[in-house]
Amino acid sequence: ELKVEQNPLFLSMQEGKNYTIYCNYSTTSDRLYWYRQDPGKSLESLFVLLSNGAVKQEGRLMASLDTKARLSTLHITAAVHDLSATYFCAADFGNEKLTFGTGTRLTIIP
Amino acid sequence: DSGVTQTPKHLITATGQRVTLRCSPRSGDLSVYWYQQSLDQGLQFLIQYYNGEERAKGNILERFSAQQFPDLHSELNLSSLELGDSALYFCASSRDPRRETQYFGPGTRLLVL
Repeated sequence: ELKVEQNPLFLSMQEGKNYTIYCNYSTTSDRLYWYRQDPGKSLESLFVLLSNGAVKQEGRLMASLDTKARLSTLHITAAVHDLSATYFCAADFGNEKLTFGTGTRLTIIP
Repeated sequence: DSGVTQTPKHLITATGQRVTLRCSPRSGDLSVYWYQQSLDQGLQFLIQYYNGEERAKGNILERFSAQQFPDLHSELNLSSLELGDSALYFCASSRDPRRETQYFGPGTRLLVL
């Protein structure tokens, strides 16, 4: 079964702290995507990871991909309130359709 | 703004009815995808079109159908609507799905009463 699991589902963290969201997937995939969704809004693309060992950074967010472990991580550095949102990872299992994780609802507390 | 447009933004209808959701992809994108987002099912892939042809099918009900027209816009038709069809329906597009992300439209929020 093609499955993508994220944890944690909910994350409440203080401003200035670091944390990591984990994304595990069930079978071989060499394309992993991260999206952000604000309440009632659409999905905004954050990162596309296309190969083993890929690392991408944008501001306080950094994403990485380990295809051998079937794991991607989204690391948040020195969180700020603006990063409060739901974060989704999605895998392409070679069929060009995205299988999404359950999402991680991140709340940054001042 | 992703460049993908969807109409209408909101739709309220009754059970048993039929509705059509419309999507215009980003300029130059040949692939169009439809997704459903609901509280109990999460984000689910429904169907993909590439340059007018159906390319992949996901968890799309038989009551639902879609097509992509020569100008590349796409329509998702939902018929015999049930309460459980209430959800946010997203359209996404991409130029090269093997190398780049899918760009999502603003979505159509469907409420079936």
